[in-house]
Amino acid sequence: QKEVEQNSGPLSVPEGAIASLNCTYSDRGSQSFFWYRQYSGKSPELIMSIYSNGDKEDGRFTAQLNKASQYVSLLIRDSQPSDSATYLCAVRYNQGGKLIFGQGTELSVKP
Amino acid sequence: DVKVTQSSRYLVKRTGEKVFLECVQDMDHENMFWYRQDPGLGLRLIYFSYDVKMKEKGDIPEGYSVSREKKERFSLILESASTNQTSMYLCASRTPLAGGRVAQYFGPGTRLLVL
Repeated sequence: QKEVEQNSGPLSVPEGAIASLNCTYSDRGSQSFFWYRQYSGKSPELIMSIYSNGDKEDGRFTAQLNKASQYVSLLIRDSQPSDSATYLCAVRYNQGGKLIFGQGTELSVKP
Repeated sequence: DVKVTQSSRYLVKRTGEKVFLECVQDMDHENMFWYRQDPGLGLRLIYFSYDVKMKEKGDIPEGYSVSREKKERFSLILESASTNQTSMYLCASRTPLAGGRVAQYFGPGTRLLVL
């Protein structure tokens, strides 16, 4: 069974701090990795995708992928209260494959 | 911008009713998906479709069926609604990108309450 694991949280950080969200996956054959943000009562919104080892930066967000250790992380710099949401990690295992989602990590940014 | 729309944001139905949830995307995507999301259980895949008239069972297809008669529309059908189908239903559409990559986008969701 292919699995994607995330700490459920809640993760609480003060405004302006760096929030670090982690995700591990079970299958070494995975190819594509995604981070979704989901506000309470809303649908998931795609915020980052990463496909190769290393870092990918987009504004205040940085995705990090380490295939050897089978983890992917999301860093949010200068966290804002508006970043408070649940962050879902998703992994795609092959070319035509479905996305496998983690349970999500709830992030709370305190003013 | 990719746009995925769902027919209703909120729906209240009675046990035993037949329920239709509609999803439409306007980007000519081939791949479409139906999920349900429940507290503590995360996102679970019900059905998906890789093309018109094609459908594949996901992880929890029991009690559901789907229809994909046109590329832009993917319908989820609850043949006889039950209270354990009360949930948030999310449709997603996926576009291929260069190099075998994809981007998957969700609709706004339908919160279904079965009484």
